[in-house]
Amino acid sequence: GDSVTQMEGPVTLSEEAFLTINCTYTATGYPSLFWYVQYPGEGLQLLLKATKADDKGSNKGFEATYRKETTSFHLEKGSVQVSDSAVYFCALGTNFGNEKLTFGTGTRLTIIP
Amino acid sequence: EPEVTQTPSHQVTQMGQEVILRCVPISNHLYFYWYRQILGQKVEFLVSFYNNEISEKSEIFDDQFSVERPDGSNFTLKIRSTKLEDSAMYFCASSQDYGYTFGSGTRLTVV
Repeated sequence: GDSVTQMEGPVTLSEEAFLTINCTYTATGYPSLFWYVQYPGEGLQLLLKATKADDKGSNKGFEATYRKETTSFHLEKGSVQVSDSAVYFCALGTNFGNEKLTFGTGTRLTIIP
Repeated sequence: EPEVTQTPSHQVTQMGQEVILRCVPISNHLYFYWYRQILGQKVEFLVSFYNNEISEKSEIFDDQFSVERPDGSNFTLKIRSTKLEDSAMYFCASSQDYGYTFGSGTRLTVV
């Protein structure tokens, strides 16, 4: 079945550091890939998505590129801020995003000033 | 921006009681979902719903759970006889062609 393997946390970085959170997937067919963010006490917000190979999703300075050859969708940001502290979930979906999402375990990110 | 709305935001119930969690999906979406997240753990799929019927359900979604779309706007999750292990955050979502949106969740606490 489909699965998502996500970098274990927690991750603690200093402000303005470079961020990478690794995500790899196993899926049949051609999934869409997503990063969701969950701020403390809140729900899941879509951060970015990519729907086909070599697509790059980007939002709020975060980027991730859909790499079919390595089955990866790593999240990156060049300079993190304290406000980026949250839990980040990688997820995959099929059928043009109209089926269940399979989530990774989540990575808790803490940015210290 | 369109939102998925969930009510209540927090519900406390006694073990063995029935609860109904409510959701209003985005109006032009056709696919609806429930997920749950036990505190500190991953988000788990429960059920998907399309064209007024369940399209897929997980092994978690046993006979104690049911979903319904009682009118043109609401989508509900019912747990018939709650157990302590049902305590979790429950998220509703709706989608239409990559526009996959989650509500802010209902925190269910079973005591």
